[in-house]
Amino acid sequence: GQSLEQPSEVTAVEGAIVQINCTYQTSGFYGLSWYQQHDGGAPTFLSYNGLDGLEETGRFSSFLSRSDSYGYLLLQELQMKDSASYFCAVRDKDSSHKLIFGSGTRLLVRP
Amino acid sequence: NAGVTQTPKFRVLKTGQSMTLLCAQDMNHEYMYWYRQDPGMGLRLIHYSVGEGTTAKGEVPDGYNVSRLKKQNFLLGLESAAPSQTSVYFCASSPTGRRNEQFFGPGTRLTVL
Repeated sequence: GQSLEQPSEVTAVEGAIVQINCTYQTSGFYGLSWYQQHDGGAPTFLSYNGLDGLEETGRFSSFLSRSDSYGYLLLQELQMKDSASYFCAVRDKDSSHKLIFGSGTRLLVRP
Repeated sequence: NAGVTQTPKFRVLKTGQSMTLLCAQDMNHEYMYWYRQDPGMGLRLIHYSVGEGTTAKGEVPDGYNVSRLKKQNFLLGLESAAPSQTSVYFCASSPTGRRNEQFFGPGTRLTVL
């Protein structure tokens, strides 16, 4: 089976940098994704890592280490609008059409 | 482009009633999915479809049925609603070759009394 672990809550100050970690266990591996969801809203895709290393998209970066079954989402220059829940998700070889989501990390950005 | 739309946005049912949730996408995506999200939890896959006329079970399929008669539509049915099915339901779609990038609809908030 598959399982993902991420912290339930993180708090940071506006303008700061925050890292949200995700560890996973899968029988195979087809990549790690990150999604953002504001309260009452729909999840939106942020990033995807299929290979080891860092992917950067503006203020957001995502990192993957397949040997450690670990990834993280890095948010820089935090803004109040970044307050949301962030989910990591994996797609594995045994169920390649399915994304399995973690339970989410709630990020609270304070002034 | 409307993206992914869901109908209805809200619904209250009594135990034992039935209903159908409609999902439509105008992006010509092959893959479509139905998830449920309970408070403070991640998304759990109910059923999915890899193309018109095909459906498959996800993690939590019991009590739900689906159909994909047209490529752009994916219907989720509850035959006999139970309070345990109170949840927010999200539909999503993804294109071939980019299955990690899913596009979500706005959700349907369902309460079963």
